[in-house]
Amino acid sequence: RKEVEQDPGPFNVPEGATVAFNCTYSNSASQSFFWYRQDCRKEPKLLMSVYSSGNEDGRFTAQLNRASQYISLLIRDSKLSDSATYLCVADYWGAQKLVFGQGTRLTINP
Amino acid sequence: GAGVSQSPSNKVTEKGKDVELRCDPISGHTALYWYRQSLGQGLEFLIYFQGNSAPDKSGLPSDRFSAERTGGSVSTLTIQRTQQEDSAVYLCASSSNGMVVTEAFFGQGTRLTVV
Repeated sequence: RKEVEQDPGPFNVPEGATVAFNCTYSNSASQSFFWYRQDCRKEPKLLMSVYSSGNEDGRFTAQLNRASQYISLLIRDSKLSDSATYLCVADYWGAQKLVFGQGTRLTINP
Repeated sequence: GAGVSQSPSNKVTEKGKDVELRCDPISGHTALYWYRQSLGQGLEFLIYFQGNSAPDKSGLPSDRFSAERTGGSVSTLTIQRTQQEDSAVYLCASSSNGMVVTEAFFGQGTRLTVV
């Protein structure tokens, strides 16, 4: 079983729609979680950290469910510019090593 | 000041040759990571450094791969006797980890092509 698992997609949704991704992690001791965004042929960049209480940044909301060991990302009112691959990240057993999921590819259609 | 810098940005090498990839982390960042990304795939963890030591080398694919970090700064990833399956983008990241893991900042990567 992979340490961090995501549905690779692709997700194709119309502009303005709401889209949600889930990601599961296998190590119950993981403490830090992130969502990264990667554009085609570019390096990954931090989208947002994920906190236990959940957090929101504009149209983006991240949630952590420790009991079920998954994190989620919700994008509201999606824009064409949201088209990218979204990478879920967890630390490895609370240690200072970041493990990435394989990414979920999202395409927003006009 | 500047972000994570990697060099070269592109490298084409013949099968069997050795290559050396360089990463300059953000100044003051103690943690440094190397990942590999094949076309259309996710990020494969290779190794990470805390200071100059590498607590976790578990991701290195074979003994042809080695990495070092000196002065708590620059890191080099060396691949000996390159094979075609080594072709990928090699990404370096750094972070200012303290008691908790913080976000990692990535360089633009080195695109390695073995012909």
